[in-house]
Amino acid sequence: ETGVTQTPRHLVMGMTNKKSLKCEQHLGHNAMYWYKQSAKKPLELMFVYNFKEQTENNSVPSRFSPECPNSSHLFLHLHTLQPEDSALYLCASSQPTTGRGYQPQHFGDGTRLSIL
Amino acid sequence: LAKTTQPISMDSYEGQEVNITCSHNNIATNDYITWYQQFPSQGPRFIIQGYKTKVTNEVASLFIPADRKSSTLSLPRVSLSDTAVYYCLVGYVTGFQKLVFGTGTRLLVSP
Repeated sequence: ETGVTQTPRHLVMGMTNKKSLKCEQHLGHNAMYWYKQSAKKPLELMFVYNFKEQTENNSVPSRFSPECPNSSHLFLHLHTLQPEDSALYLCASSQPTTGRGYQPQHFGDGTRLSIL
Repeated sequence: LAKTTQPISMDSYEGQEVNITCSHNNIATNDYITWYQQFPSQGPRFIIQGYKTKVTNEVASLFIPADRKSSTLSLPRVSLSDTAVYYCLVGYVTGFQKLVFGTGTRLLVSP
């Protein structure tokens, strides 16, 4: 149990469908992140939210739309996805690291997304 | 963030000590070294983090030489459950971090 819960764990959708991935953290953190992990490739950072404000968008296609209604919840809205978008989507959260010590990112176990 | 280089894979047997080395030749003065572990179908888990010399916790040790251009993660007496991918990350640890993962080292522990 990492304190970061992602739902659903598995999702199969067609290219014309619209779906959303959900992430919830119970750690009191103020930053949340979306990562994409494709087979045989490193994790890729997609989006970063600090205190509900988006602070990073790593050139992610507009068919991925993040939403952060509060510091505990993060969504990734999906529409008109492509087969190459099939991957493991990971959510993470963290507190800021200050002089009091390192604050690692806590990851959920991901949503395995398959695009037909 | 500094680029890191790790072996793609390593094999070991239960009860052995495993040392995974990471090269980071262009590490900056303010950069820290962090290691994560990832099991199949799970997110990465933080293992250990350090700046210089040696750091030890309940699961691993991290050795960093004086020039800090490399680091070694040491796992004492591995078990089958240590089979996973291990990532070395280097960066300035402040604020909300944007972690940059490499391809990692796939460790296979056999009976």
